Amino acid sequence: GAVVSQHPSRVICKSGTSVKIECRSLDFQATTMFWYRQFPKKSLMLMATSNEGSKATYEQGVEKDKFLINHASLTLSTLTVTSAHPEDSSFYICSASANTQYFGPGTRLTVL
Amino acid sequence: GDSVTQMEGPVTLSEEAFLTINCTYTATGYPSLFWYVQYPGEGLQLLLKATKADDKGSNKGFEATYRKETTSFHLEKGSVQVSDSAVYFCALSGSAGGTSYGKLTFGQGTILTVHP
Repeated sequence: GAVVSQHPSRVICKSGTSVKIECRSLDFQATTMFWYRQFPKKSLMLMATSNEGSKATYEQGVEKDKFLINHASLTLSTLTVTSAHPEDSSFYICSASANTQYFGPGTRLTVL
Repeated sequence: GDSVTQMEGPVTLSEEAFLTINCTYTATGYPSLFWYVQYPGEGLQLLLKATKADDKGSNKGFEATYRKETTSFHLEKGSVQVSDSAVYFCALSGSAGGTSYGKLTFGQGTILTVHP
């Protein structure tokens, strides 16, 4: 089946630093990738839709200057959390779309 | 906008018990409906889906029927196993041509624990 990987799986950083999370579709090409944020015991909230070769589309309330998304190829999208703060600590999940969305295993970000 | 409401958990069952997790939705047009499962430490996996009214999705003994008249997509399994312990998410994707087409809107998730 379709496999999506994320790297890193866990990251701890200091407040004010930037963190990059990679999302890769390993065995298929995805023109569209999605980035979600999952709070403890809460649902997944869509942050942005990323299309290869174009600017990401952000959901209402998501700061595009804080959460930079780059979709450089059909198999790779990156999310950079800039100037991270403790309130950015969360579980970030990506998905890659090939008719059906296939999800990565998620990245646990902890900002100290 | 689109929304999905799931029954609140956690749900705790004994092995071989019958499972129902309720899911209702609000959306315009004809959305596609999904159930995703998240096992401990893993990413979300598509469990089953239905793309039009009266469709029944099924997989691994789980079933859900797309009921447009009641805007529901309840998940059922006749006999659960310990290995079914996971978090279950109901989701919808907007109909073609709409602003939410291709995007998933999730319910809040239901934690299922099955005891031997």
